Amino acid sequence: SQKIEQNSEALNIQEGKTATLTCNYTNYSPAYLQWYRQDPGRGPVFLLLIRENEKEKRKERLKVTFDTTLKQSLFHITASQPADSATYLCALPSYQTGANNLFFGTGTRLTVIP
Amino acid sequence: NAGVTQTPKFQVLKTGQSMTLQCAQDMNHNSMYWYRQDPGMGLRLIYYSASEGTTDKGEVPNGYNVSRLNKREFSLRLESAAPSQTSVYFCASTPAALKKYEQYFGPGTRLTVT
Repeated sequence: SQKIEQNSEALNIQEGKTATLTCNYTNYSPAYLQWYRQDPGRGPVFLLLIRENEKEKRKERLKVTFDTTLKQSLFHITASQPADSATYLCALPSYQTGANNLFFGTGTRLTVIP
Repeated sequence: NAGVTQTPKFQVLKTGQSMTLQCAQDMNHNSMYWYRQDPGMGLRLIYYSASEGTTDKGEVPNGYNVSRLNKREFSLRLESAAPSQTSVYFCASTPAALKKYEQYFGPGTRLTVT
């Protein structure tokens, strides 16, 4: 069955440091991968999409890499701020319900300590 | 432009009661989705509608029904609620049933079944 592992349930880092979150997947080769942010009590918000032929994508302080050989994506937040504290979700095309649907990981809760 | 709206925000049901969760989007999106989110389980797809007039089962459809009333609205019905359906329910939409689009989520409905 399809599986996504996000490195840990919770990650604490000091303000100003770079946060690195990991998304590992098994069993197939997705055409793309997405990252979302979710704040407590709210719905997820899309951050970045990276395609299988792209090694890296950047948006402001965010950087995503996609290694299809390792079956892994890394999500980096540079110069982290307390406002970056949230849960970050990795999502891939679902091979159970169709590639136009998403399959989500359980997320990593990031806390940036002032 | 309200995006994706969901009603109600909170609901408490007794076992065996029925209810309908409402979702609407004003972005002229073709595809709509219903997810549930439980601690440690991540977002799981219940049903989706790739376009107006079509609906399909997701990963966890048992105990639910859906209606794509028109392009804007996609409702989720629990005919006979069970405690296992206690969860947070999210509706989402995307411009088209294509692989490159992100999903836009509503604020969620927190449902408790006693």
